[in-house]
Amino acid sequence: EAQVTQNPRYLITVTGKKLTVTCSQNMNHEYMSWYRQDPGLGLRQIYYSMNVEVTDKGDVPEGYKVSRKEKRNFPLILESPSPNQTSLYFCASSLDPGNEQFFGPGTRLTVL
Amino acid sequence: DQQVKQNSPSLSVQEGRISILNCDYTNSMFDYFLWYKKYPAEGPTFLISISSIKDKNEDGRFTVFLNKSAKHLSLHIVPSQPGDSAVYFCAASGVGDNDMRFGAGTRLTVKP
Repeated sequence: EAQVTQNPRYLITVTGKKLTVTCSQNMNHEYMSWYRQDPGLGLRQIYYSMNVEVTDKGDVPEGYKVSRKEKRNFPLILESPSPNQTSLYFCASSLDPGNEQFFGPGTRLTVL
Repeated sequence: DQQVKQNSPSLSVQEGRISILNCDYTNSMFDYFLWYKKYPAEGPTFLISISSIKDKNEDGRFTVFLNKSAKHLSLHIVPSQPGDSAVYFCAASGVGDNDMRFGAGTRLTVKP
């Protein structure tokens, strides 16, 4: 089954404690992306990757890092989380950035 | 600067009637538009799309209309069903873009 998986689905953490949200896709897509969803703001792109070892900032990259060492995986790293990063996060993948994107189920992060 | 706007946060319709969800955009370089549907605790899923060379695209009960001069698109659902109750996101991209822009979403409730 074609899918994008994210882990964990729910996470409560404290300010400053480094965390990683994993994302994996099994569709051999070159393009992967991370979004955050906040009330009234919709989906805002954090980072994207055009291919292995090729990543770039989206609209709201501050406080986040990513890596793309393998085509299927695109982890999101919060080196020092802060309360304003409390949000619902989605990973997505597609053949290319202009095409239909396949989304993971989401990770709800709370930073206390 | 939100380039894709969904000005109605919510919409409620009766089962069997038409649902019309609206979306406006500001970037005249957008040439591909999509609608995604999102249920609670799930990621968005692709619903229907339209290229800027068309003004209408139909898929079963779902039709998307594009008015390029007004920079406006709409999603029509006929007839609406309770299972259509979800948040609908409008999205857009342009040639050469490395990302896709999303609206804030409209929560549709279809009452039995």
